[in-house]
Amino acid sequence: EPEVTQTPSHQVTQMGQEVILRCVPISNHLYFYWYRQILGQKVEFLVSFYNNEISEKSEIFDDQFSVERPDGSNFTLKIRSTKLEDSAMYFCASSDRGLTYNEQFFGPGTRLTVL
Amino acid sequence: RKEVEQDPGPFNVPEGATVAFNCTYSNSASQSFFWYRQDCRKEPKLLMSVYSSGNEDGRFTAQLNRASQYISLLIRDSKLSDSATYLCVVISSGNTPLVFGKGTRLSVIA
Repeated sequence: EPEVTQTPSHQVTQMGQEVILRCVPISNHLYFYWYRQILGQKVEFLVSFYNNEISEKSEIFDDQFSVERPDGSNFTLKIRSTKLEDSAMYFCASSDRGLTYNEQFFGPGTRLTVL
Repeated sequence: RKEVEQDPGPFNVPEGATVAFNCTYSNSASQSFFWYRQDCRKEPKLLMSVYSSGNEDGRFTAQLNRASQYISLLIRDSKLSDSATYLCVVISSGNTPLVFGKGTRLSVIA
C-alpha cells in the first residue's frame, strides 16, 4: 500500500539554525500539506501546496518558513532560523484531486527539537 | 471561540464498555466531517467519515447534526486496542486544510 514517508524521524538542532524536513508524498497525489503538533496540543495546519505553488497558508507559516518541491518526488519544509517554540512534531500529508473530499494521508512525522 | 471543541477526557473504560465522544464545530460552512485516531507519538489516521444520515463501521457509529453543529462517535464493545486519542476533524471543501480538535483520550482497561 502506498504511503507518505518523512525523514528524518527526529531532528535536534540549536536555536537559530536552519532545518529542512523532507517528505515523499504518495506518487500520484497532487495536493501536499504540512501540519505541526506541539506536544500535548492539537494538530495545526501550516501550508498547502498544489501545482507548484502555495495554495493556502496559516498565520503560523511566517517568513521563517518555506516549502519546495525540488523534483518530482520530494516535498520539503524549511525553517530558516529555528526558535524554541518551533519544537513540535511536523506531519506531511498528501491527497488526490477531486471536487469532493479526498482523504489526506499522513506521514509518520518528524520530531523537531530546538535547544 | 475554538473552531472544533471536544470532550476533554480522558475516558477510562473497562473492556466491553460502550463509550461516546462529542464534538462541536463553529464554522457553519464546514462541509465534511471525520473522526481520526491518533496513537501516542504517531500520525493521525482516518477512522471514519461522518454523514448526516449517520454511518456505522463495525463497532463504531458516527453521527452528524448540522443544525446543532455537533458530531458524535460511539464505540461499542471496547477493546484494549481502541486505546488512543480520537480527533474530531472538519473541512470546508475539497482539498482545503483539515481543522482538528484537540482530541479525546480513551484508555480501555482490562
